[in-house]
Amino acid sequence: KNEVEQSPQNLTAQEGEFITINCSYSVGISALHWLQQHPGGGIVSLFMLSSGKKKHGRLIATINIQEKHSSLHITASHPRDSAVYICAVRYSGGGADGLTFGKGTHLIIQP
Amino acid sequence: NAGVTQTPKFQVLKTGQSMTLQCAQDMNHEYMSWYRQDPGMGLRLIHYSVGAGITDQGEVPNGYNVSRSTTEDFPLRLLSAAPSQTSVYFCASNHAAGQGSGELFFGEGSRLTVL
Repeated sequence: KNEVEQSPQNLTAQEGEFITINCSYSVGISALHWLQQHPGGGIVSLFMLSSGKKKHGRLIATINIQEKHSSLHITASHPRDSAVYICAVRYSGGGADGLTFGKGTHLIIQP
Repeated sequence: NAGVTQTPKFQVLKTGQSMTLQCAQDMNHEYMSWYRQDPGMGLRLIHYSVGAGITDQGEVPNGYNVSRSTTEDFPLRLLSAAPSQTSVYFCASNHAAGQGSGELFFGEGSRLTVL
């Protein structure tokens, strides 16, 4: 079974710090998703990318296809960024059933 | 647009009872899926549909049934609830490849407890 590995599993940082969350996968993909889940809340899509880099506000997502690795960066972190961040990949040839999810990174930003 | 609407948000069942989790989307998405989320595990696919009248099993389909009579609705039925089905359930939808951005849209989740 193709796996999606996220690191770190847990991360606590101070407000204002630069945050990096990593995601590695095992074989070729057609797309990678970064998702955000607040405690007790629903899941929101942050980015979908298949190459390069995307930026939205203080969030930046990058992907290196050759290294099979993606990173999610948060600049000037804020307590409201505290959430679980989930990486999901759609393996090449996968349709609606082709998504594999990482276990998530629990991020806490302390004021 | 309402997005993906999922009900109920909370439900407590006794072992052996049946129930249906409702999921509706108003974005004309072809793909709809049901996932369960358990502590320490990633989201796991229960059933999915690539269009009206078409459904298929995911990773953990046992004890669940689905149907897709319309593009908008994708209900998940628990046939005879068991404590192992205590979980948080999420419905998701997205366009098929080439039909849109592919962005995932999730419902707010349904927390189910089976006693």
